[in-house]
Amino acid sequence: EAGVAQSPRYKIIEKRQSVAFWCNPISGHATLYWYQQILGQGPKLLIQFQNNGVVDDSQLPKDRFSAERLKGVDSTLKIQPAKLEDSAVYLCASSLEAGGGNEQFFGPGTRLTVL
Amino acid sequence: AQSVTQLDSQVPVFEEAPVELRCNYSSSVSVYLFWYVQYPNQGLQLLLKYLSGSTLVESINGFEAEFNKSQTSFHLRKPSVHISDTAEYFCAVRGYISGGYNKLIFGAGTRLAVHP
Repeated sequence: EAGVAQSPRYKIIEKRQSVAFWCNPISGHATLYWYQQILGQGPKLLIQFQNNGVVDDSQLPKDRFSAERLKGVDSTLKIQPAKLEDSAVYLCASSLEAGGGNEQFFGPGTRLTVL
Repeated sequence: AQSVTQLDSQVPVFEEAPVELRCNYSSSVSVYLFWYVQYPNQGLQLLLKYLSGSTLVESINGFEAEFNKSQTSFHLRKPSVHISDTAEYFCAVRGYISGGYNKLIFGAGTRLAVHP
């Protein structure tokens, strides 16, 4: 079974530029998550999708971050414009359903450096 | 708000020695508890989880964790570590709030370094 795919693996941009990350979840997984992992911290949930609907985006900085999952499969996360503090690893995860005990499967992440 | 504290940011240990990685969480009526492992340049992988039932849960590679409700802890242990256990370990919790379980909250992680 293929895992969660993410691209690119690394991205370096200058502040005020825009950037987009792509995620393809495990086939059949209805729930998709985007996390931000700042160096030295644990992952923090940015947004959760159930199929193509948003379940939780309470910690997404909506003035600069946006995410979509149009067909209920793959997803993109965009930052525009980027700030220095956005430097982090962006992790995508998926699970079969949104239930509390469901295992989340994580992709390898995209390491973003904002200069 | 739910929180998770991993008391040690780094734990150095010699091969074949026992290890304990500590995790405490803020109290909630009901919780699901998880340990994830992240090997270098890889994504997080679920190591083990507690949902209900026996308070002692085990992984396939010899780790175990015990849910202690009175101490709000979920410490991870292994009686004898290998070099290959070198990784970052994250404790995570989902607490129950009205209407359902909250989002997954992670601790800051503990870096386990196993030396020969």
